[in-house]
Amino acid sequence: DTEVTQTPKHLVMGMTNKKSLKCEQHMGHRAMYWYKQKAKKPPELMFVYSYEKLSINESVPSRFSPECPNSSLLNLHLHALQPEDSALYLCASSQTGAPNEKLFFGSGTQLSVL
Amino acid sequence: AQSVAQPEDQVNVAEGNPLTVKCTYSVSGNPYLFWYVQYPNRGLQFLLKYITGDNLVKGSYGFEAEFNKSQTSFHLKKPSALVSDSALYFCAVRDMRITSGTYKYIFGTGTRLKVLA
Repeated sequence: DTEVTQTPKHLVMGMTNKKSLKCEQHMGHRAMYWYKQKAKKPPELMFVYSYEKLSINESVPSRFSPECPNSSLLNLHLHALQPEDSALYLCASSQTGAPNEKLFFGSGTQLSVL
Repeated sequence: AQSVAQPEDQVNVAEGNPLTVKCTYSVSGNPYLFWYVQYPNRGLQFLLKYITGDNLVKGSYGFEAEFNKSQTSFHLKKPSALVSDSALYFCAVRDMRITSGTYKYIFGTGTRLKVLA
């Protein structure tokens, strides 16, 4: 299994809603990432987990709350988002300390905030 | 800090012709360079990387990239373009080390490749 699976594929939410994005991989990767991507722009790093510990938070607003319950799962909890948070949210994973270094990306969750 | 630049927003090429998508880099130390491709409404897919060794790196789907240290470039190439190669291409560089074996990666602004039938 060489896939990163993200659910849901699409999400529409109001500014007062609470929702969660889910990411799963079964490749044994111990590094997992959340990226935000606006249309026709490069992915912007939000969070990095290494061995289930939050290692990087790129000054992301607290309305985004990441969680890594175990080595295969990564969640992103959303609350009180703004319309400008509408974007494609990508999850990625990678091996740590591996010669085959590369990021494996999921297909993303297209988020629209109304 | 490390950075990569993709000078072209879009590249158009006729099917069957060779294609080049440009990338230049700025790093301190040895560069670790990557190319990824993104099809509409999908995540990024790894194409190839340069860590060390031969300057010509071969990757997926017939793509290759040439590392040029003197010109600080890492251009993506393919001898004969296909319509199905039309997509968004990102160059990336390994940036800071986060923990043992985990790194941060910086992406270029992307180049849209359009292959015309």
